[in-house]
Amino acid sequence: SQKIEQNSEALNIQEGKTATLTCNYTNYSPAYLQWYRQDPGRGPVFLLLIRENEKEKRKERLKVTFDTTLKQSLFHITASQPADSATYLCAPKMDTGRRALTFGSGTRLQVQP
Amino acid sequence: NAGVTQTPKFQVLKTGQSMTLQCAQDMNHNSMYWYRQDPGMGLRLIYYSASEGTTDKGEVPNGYNVSRLNKREFSLRLESAAPSQTSVYFCASSEQWGNNQPQHFGDGTRLSIL
Repeated sequence: SQKIEQNSEALNIQEGKTATLTCNYTNYSPAYLQWYRQDPGRGPVFLLLIRENEKEKRKERLKVTFDTTLKQSLFHITASQPADSATYLCAPKMDTGRRALTFGSGTRLQVQP
Repeated sequence: NAGVTQTPKFQVLKTGQSMTLQCAQDMNHNSMYWYRQDPGMGLRLIYYSASEGTTDKGEVPNGYNVSRLNKREFSLRLESAAPSQTSVYFCASSEQWGNNQPQHFGDGTRLSIL
């Protein structure tokens, strides 16, 4: 079956370091993948979209890579700040024919000052 | 602009009661969605409306019904609430269905079924 895997353990890093979050998927090849940020008690907020023919996408301090061979997307936040603390969700387009997004369960990032 | 507005924000129901969750968007989006979010499960799609006048089942539609009232509003109804439906419910919208469009979410309705 098609699966999305994000590390369920929280990632704790020091302010100023680069945070790297992982999204792995199995048994399919998504045409594109989105990343969202979710703060406690709030709905997810769209951050970036990367297509299968793009290796890398950047937006300010954010960088997303998409490795279709490894079936993995990496989400990087450079020069991290305490305000970056949140849960980050990946959402690959599943190959189900319904053209719907399916969300991973997310990884919580905690940036320590 | 408010974006996506959900009401109510919190609700407690008894098993067997019915309830409608309301969602409205002011971005003139064509597509709207209802998700539920449970700990460790991620967001799961309940129903969606690709465009005004159409609705379709998502991943977990059992126990729910939806109505796309007009382009702005998409409601979710629980006819006979069950404890397994205790969850946080999110409504979302996107400009189009099936394109590489980001989804815009409301802040959720926290529903407890006793």
